[in-house]
Amino acid sequence: GQQVMQIPQYQHVQEGEDFTTYCNSSTTLSNIQWYKQRPGGHPVFLIQLVKSGEVKKQKRLTFQFGEAKKNSSLHITATQTTDVGTYFCAGVRGYQKVTFGTGTKLQVIP
Amino acid sequence: EPEVTQTPSHQVTQMGQEVILRCVPISNHLYFYWYRQILGQKVEFLVSFYNNEISEKSEIFDDQFSVERPDGSNFTLKIRSTKLEDSAMYFCASSDLGSSNQPQHFGDGTRLSIL
Repeated sequence: GQQVMQIPQYQHVQEGEDFTTYCNSSTTLSNIQWYKQRPGGHPVFLIQLVKSGEVKKQKRLTFQFGEAKKNSSLHITATQTTDVGTYFCAGVRGYQKVTFGTGTKLQVIP
Repeated sequence: EPEVTQTPSHQVTQMGQEVILRCVPISNHLYFYWYRQILGQKVEFLVSFYNNEISEKSEIFDDQFSVERPDGSNFTLKIRSTKLEDSAMYFCASSDLGSSNQPQHFGDGTRLSIL
């Protein structure tokens, strides 16, 4: 079956440092979504990427979808303590089947 | 802002018992989903539901599981004979279009503990 892997699994950064998580799918995706889950919370939608090579920005967050539509990345510039949580990519293949990635847990040290 | 609501927030059940987890999706949404998340692990897709029938399901969603939309507002997940490994957080989600077009809105989850 489809697998979606993320690296790294954990990342500790000093506040103000940058952070990047990478997402790789074993199969070509229709689109990719990114979610953030705070400790003890539920996944919250951040963004969706649809087009090959697409880049989208949300303030300090930059999302990229690979040319082959099999990988994606999320980059956070100048992390803040509010960025703490686990970031999941979610690969959408077909109509309604969503495969979440393994997640990257971000810890920001003040 | 409209929310997906789930009840109960925590369910403790003896192994072998049946359990029903309840969800009220956002009112104008048409697509409904169940996911589970074992503590500290990733979110796993269980099933999607549209137009009163299952549209996709994963390998996890075996004969022990069933879903139902008994009325115009509720969406339930039933586990017939619970096992210890069913202990997890169960999230319901909904979207107004299929997930290929729209994000999913998640509820706060039900923590299921099997003893």
